[in-house]
Amino acid sequence: EAGVTQSPTHLIKTRGQQATLRCSPISGHTSVYWYQQALGLGLQFLLWYDEGEERNRGNFPPRFSGRQFPNYSSELNVNALELEDSALYLCASSGGEKWDNEQFFGPGTRLTVL
Amino acid sequence: DQQVKQNSPSLSVQEGRISILNCDYTNSMFDYFLWYKKYPAEGPTFLISISSIKDKNEDGRFTVFLNKSAKHLSLHIVPSQPGDSAVYFCAAGYNNNDMRFGAGTRLTVKP
Repeated sequence: EAGVTQSPTHLIKTRGQQATLRCSPISGHTSVYWYQQALGLGLQFLLWYDEGEERNRGNFPPRFSGRQFPNYSSELNVNALELEDSALYLCASSGGEKWDNEQFFGPGTRLTVL
Repeated sequence: DQQVKQNSPSLSVQEGRISILNCDYTNSMFDYFLWYKKYPAEGPTFLISISSIKDKNEDGRFTVFLNKSAKHLSLHIVPSQPGDSAVYFCAAGYNNNDMRFGAGTRLTVKP
């Protein structure tokens, strides 16, 4: 069974640009979660989508946004990039609508903002 | 607001000995706790979990202990193996609220 996939693996942008990160969940999973792992910090929760709707949002500014498509894949968009947005962005999926179902993580997208 | 803390950034143990990774939390509402393991260049993988109604959960070499009064949980790995070398994250949450992760502890198991 294919796991969670993310693209691209690496992304380099300059300050002020926009970044789009993509995630495909495990087949059959309806929930997708986005996390940011900045250097030296733990995983910070960004967004949770289930059945196409945003269910919860972490403590991030509005320039972090996303959506979930009918096939349950998801996009994370970061507008007006800042240097401190440089981080590993992890996507996870789970098979139930409760957030505490086991989450399966993708390999991440490393975003570098110059 | 660091509600979940792993105060030891790194831990080194000898193969065959016990590894103990610690995690403290501040939010008494947390009722579900998880440990994740992360190898370099890979996403975290779920290791073991415990709900607040239990104080211990065991799965093979891995045991998680929960001390609710102290708001403390620990992961014991016995016996430790070199393949256990990774970064371990503890996480906590409740209801449908976002899960909070600790900063991680890098475990090195020496042959």
